[in-house]
Amino acid sequence: DAKTTQPPSMDCAEGRAANLPCNHSTISGNEYVYWYRQIHSQGPQYIIHGLKNNETNEMASLIITEDRKSSTLILPHATLRDTAVYYCIVRSLTGKLIFGQGTTLQVKP
Amino acid sequence: DTAVSQTPKYLVTQMGNDKSIKCEQNLGHDTMYWYKQDSKKFLKIMFSYNNKELIINETVPNRFSPKSPDKAHLNLHINSLELGDSAVYFCASSQGGIEFEQYFGPGTRLTVT
Repeated sequence: DAKTTQPPSMDCAEGRAANLPCNHSTISGNEYVYWYRQIHSQGPQYIIHGLKNNETNEMASLIITEDRKSSTLILPHATLRDTAVYYCIVRSLTGKLIFGQGTTLQVKP
Repeated sequence: DTAVSQTPKYLVTQMGNDKSIKCEQNLGHDTMYWYKQDSKKFLKIMFSYNNKELIINETVPNRFSPKSPDKAHLNLHINSLELGDSAVYFCASSQGGIEFEQYFGPGTRLTVT
């Protein structure tokens, strides 16, 4: 299963874009990049996922580099409610989501 | 109309007891999962069922036994509870296939005293 590397923590000003990076240099061709977040002790919340192309939904955008070895999750206008731990996950063909330590994003007023 | 629900939300019990956690999803998904989040906040998959059949079984003590009576339910039964079983347990569901996202329940906080 491909491993991901994320910075342990980041700060972002409220109303600004939050750009969360993730490295997954060992990703293979059929593996998807997934992003989840966990607010306090709630259940993980799905944000977005992609295979090769950039993706956008109502919550965020996902930018995947052409070589697929890294990606960036973009929250376009961060709010205080976006303070959470963000997990970048490479989902293998086994279907397992393997959660790492994630990035703790602190949105500040 | 909660998508993935778990009961109970909190469970406090003594060592040696047997307990169950129930999970139900109303999303029509055919795959369900159990995850464990320990005190260090690491989330690890324990089991996965697809159409009532076990498809993922991580290295979990056999005191843990998942039971899937139908596609919408995946219950977790734990025998002879130990202190180390204290954690938050999350249920999740998805359509089969790695291209489909998983939806998580609110979690059950299990405390073994």
